[in-house]
Amino acid sequence: EVQMMESGGGLVQPGGPLRLSCAASGFTFNVYGMGWVRQAPGKGLEWVASIGNSGDDSYYAASVKGRFTISRDNSNNTLFLHINSLRAEDTATYYCGRWQLVGGNWFDPWGQGTQVTVSS
Amino acid sequence: QSVLTQPPSMSGTPGQRVTISCSGSSSNIGIQTVSWYQHLPGTAPKLLIYINNRRPSGVPDRFSGSKSGTSASLAISGLQSEDEADYYCSAWDDSLNGFVFGTGTKVTVL
Repeated sequence: EVQMMESGGGLVQPGGPLRLSCAASGFTFNVYGMGWVRQAPGKGLEWVASIGNSGDDSYYAASVKGRFTISRDNSNNTLFLHINSLRAEDTATYYCGRWQLVGGNWFDPWGQGTQVTVSS
Repeated sequence: QSVLTQPPSMSGTPGQRVTISCSGSSSNIGIQTVSWYQHLPGTAPKLLIYINNRRPSGVPDRFSGSKSGTSASLAISGLQSEDEADYYCSAWDDSLNGFVFGTGTKVTVL
């Protein structure tokens, strides 16, 4: 069964760093791109970043470019999202998803999410 | 900031058909495929439709997708109580070089 499990969220102070992880299983991780989306309280889904299967190419939403870094460890089937200079508006549930690129672009499946709260 | 526009809410009684629209532009829906997701906050989003109108295995055929020009739509026929959720369209945007999601539509089953 294909599964993704996010971790690393919690209550963090503004301005601090944070690293989110996404442990993948049930598929050949290094064949697929991966990505992160988030949902702030009361808001819709927002795409954050995606990374190609080898890790050589990455893409970011304008709202996070320069502060967020997506990376992956193919030897350990893990996706990461490094966040610097956390802001209150980064408060959200962060979901990782497997990026499908055959004939189109979509995510399937997704993890259950990890909650990030930025507050002093 | 959402680039794809959806109606904020829609409702229907059990058995009815509901159609959710998703309006984009020539840099996203106009030249890229559309996917649709069902989401209950706090749970994993679920893929309903990919490549405009294809259903993953396990998704009931009550859900169907279509695309025309720079717009797409998701139809739910034979509405059921378990369909009460938020629905999002999504596409790659060539100008932004990234994904865009719709504003989301909350479906209520009366």
